[in-house]
Amino acid sequence: DGGITQSPKYLFRKEGQNVTLSCEQNLNHDAMYWYRQDPGQGLRLIYYSQIVNDFQKGDIAEGYSVSREKKESFPLTVTSAQKNPTAFYLCASAKSEEQPQHFGDGTRLSIL
Amino acid sequence: GQQLNQSPQSMFIQEGEDVSMNCTSSSIFNTWLWYKQDPGEGPVLLIALYKAGELTSNGRLTAQFGITRKDSFLNISASIPSDVGIYFCAGRGGNSGAGSYQLTFGKGTKLSVIP
Repeated sequence: DGGITQSPKYLFRKEGQNVTLSCEQNLNHDAMYWYRQDPGQGLRLIYYSQIVNDFQKGDIAEGYSVSREKKESFPLTVTSAQKNPTAFYLCASAKSEEQPQHFGDGTRLSIL
Repeated sequence: GQQLNQSPQSMFIQEGEDVSMNCTSSSIFNTWLWYKQDPGEGPVLLIALYKAGELTSNGRLTAQFGITRKDSFLNISASIPSDVGIYFCAGRGGNSGAGSYQLTFGKGTKLSVIP
């Protein structure tokens, strides 16, 4: 089935540790996005990529990094510089930046 | 940056009742999207609107793109228990240049349906 797969579903991070969240899509979409969701809040954009080997910072990029080496994959690394990483992270993709975004089922990151 | 006000924040309704929620913006949008999110899952696209005044239905859901391009409405008719969830509006565009295709999300309307 076509879709967007995020893994793992739950992730725990120790203080000072980097962790990487996976996002894979088989929809042949060019654009991919990472959002952070906190309780009672709307989604806030971390990074986005309109094409392979290119990405831009969103509104809250500090403490995060991404790569886009393949069209299908857009992994997000939460670095130790992100002081408040506990949140629900959502990956999305779209055929182009003008088209509606479709979301994966999210990864919940918690601090040990 | 662009701000979206979504209301109400939450609502409790009886099964079978109709529901209305809306989003207003401080600036103009070219696209409005409505999503539903179930607990622990990602948002699912319900309706996309591209033109001022547009009225679009998806089953029991109807959404409208406000004529001023600064608001949008979502109505659910004859609610059922599986309508429970958080409904988000999102707007895009209205400005030119880098980032003009980014979505701005409302904070969501949490809907509870009493059987």
